[in-house]
Amino acid sequence: QLQLQESGPGLVKPSETLSLTCAVSGGSITSTSYYWGWIRQPPGKGLEWIGSIFYSGHTYYNPSLKSRVTVSVDTSKNQFSLKLSSVTAADTAVYYCARHVMTLIRGEGPGWFGPWGQGTLLTVSS
Amino acid sequence: DIVMTQSPDSLAVSLGERATINCRSSQSVLSSSTNKNYFSWYQQRPGQPPKLLIYWASTRESGVPDRFSGGGSGTDFTLTISSLRAEDVAVYYCQQYLTVPFTFGQGTKLEI
Repeated sequence: QLQLQESGPGLVKPSETLSLTCAVSGGSITSTSYYWGWIRQPPGKGLEWIGSIFYSGHTYYNPSLKSRVTVSVDTSKNQFSLKLSSVTAADTAVYYCARHVMTLIRGEGPGWFGPWGQGTLLTVSS
Repeated sequence: DIVMTQSPDSLAVSLGERATINCRSSQSVLSSSTNKNYFSWYQQRPGQPPKLLIYWASTRESGVPDRFSGGGSGTDFTLTISSLRAEDVAVYYCQQYLTVPFTFGQGTKLEI
């Protein structure tokens, strides 16, 4: 059974760079059927997709965050990571990692998300 | 960006009754080349991460009870729970995956 587990510092100061890692177990991150994504949820609010990566390193990013986001993959450790620079209080959220399932239609990329990690709360505060 | 708008924001339904949640996209998520709706539904129970329920607008994810069904096409979609159970109390989200950025609805809170 595939499981994903986020890890991170919990607290980041404004203007610093947030770094989170998602460890994947019970399956290989090098599967050709999946991307691997990050989604966040501010307290009491809805879901915002941040970015997704294929094991080869190909990425999709949310244009609203693209200038500050880097998603990377480490196939040797079966994990992928998120870096978000110049954080502000608006970046305070629960950050989820999830398997981003490819549509498997020729020429297309990923579609729906599942399963998800339990999430990790990242607070931006001085 | 495709904006996803759910209605209602919250809904109270009696146990055993039918619950219907709506989602409208700001542009069609029906692909003319594949004739598929690039649309999914998620359930988020209190204190839990979201869980995939339905993709391609009407295909139930493995293990999801058949009381959950998805319908609609183009810009208007519905999630129906045929007979509400206590464990269905959750916030439900829709999502489109036709174009980047992948976007979610604001959520519908379902209560007993």
